[in-house]
Amino acid sequence: KAGVTQTPRYLIKTRGQQVTLSCSPISGHRSVSWYQQTPGQGLQFLFEYFSETQRNKGNFPGRFSGRQFSNSRSEMNVSTLELGDSALYLCASSLSRVGVGNNEQFFGPGTRLTVL
Amino acid sequence: SQQGEEDPQALSIQEGENATMNCSYKTSINNLQWYRQNSGRGLVHLILIRSNEREKHSGRLRVTLDTSKKSSSLLITASRAADTASYFCATEGEMKTSYDKVIFGPGTSLSVIP
Repeated sequence: KAGVTQTPRYLIKTRGQQVTLSCSPISGHRSVSWYQQTPGQGLQFLFEYFSETQRNKGNFPGRFSGRQFSNSRSEMNVSTLELGDSALYLCASSLSRVGVGNNEQFFGPGTRLTVL
Repeated sequence: SQQGEEDPQALSIQEGENATMNCSYKTSINNLQWYRQNSGRGLVHLILIRSNEREKHSGRLRVTLDTSKKSSSLLITASRAADTASYFCATEGEMKTSYDKVIFGPGTSLSVIP
């Protein structure tokens, strides 16, 4: 099976712009979670999508949003970018919802976003 | 504060030695997972231990879980230079609580010197 793919791998934006990141989960996986990783805050949970619905949300402002399509692919959008949004954004897929059963999450390589 | 916290933050050992990393957490969990990350790349899942399990092995990895102390340890035996990476523990909370998501600790940076 192909692994989790994320596009683009690298992105440079300026403050105030918006960005959309994409994640394709492993075939058959219905849950996609997004994480932000920074040197200062570590790995922080953004949100989880399952069956096209947001199921869980971390403590991030409304500028961070996402969606999931019927084929389980997911996109994450950040509007009005700030310098502090520079980070590695990771998505992970799993068979079922986080908190239901004991799921292994498979991570993609991440998208490194730099905000200038 | 974060659910899972690793100890130590950094560890440097010689090739062939064993490496032990510890993780503490705060609330009830469904399971605890350990991940490895090489130099800012994606995470690789190492092992998952359920809340009703006490010990689990996978190759050179041994994980223990003590739910009474809310702690876990990861032991890597006979370390290799290729084990150099950051190691994270992550807890998956119970659905009935508000912690029904995976929460990562800050990680332990392991350096294995050839």
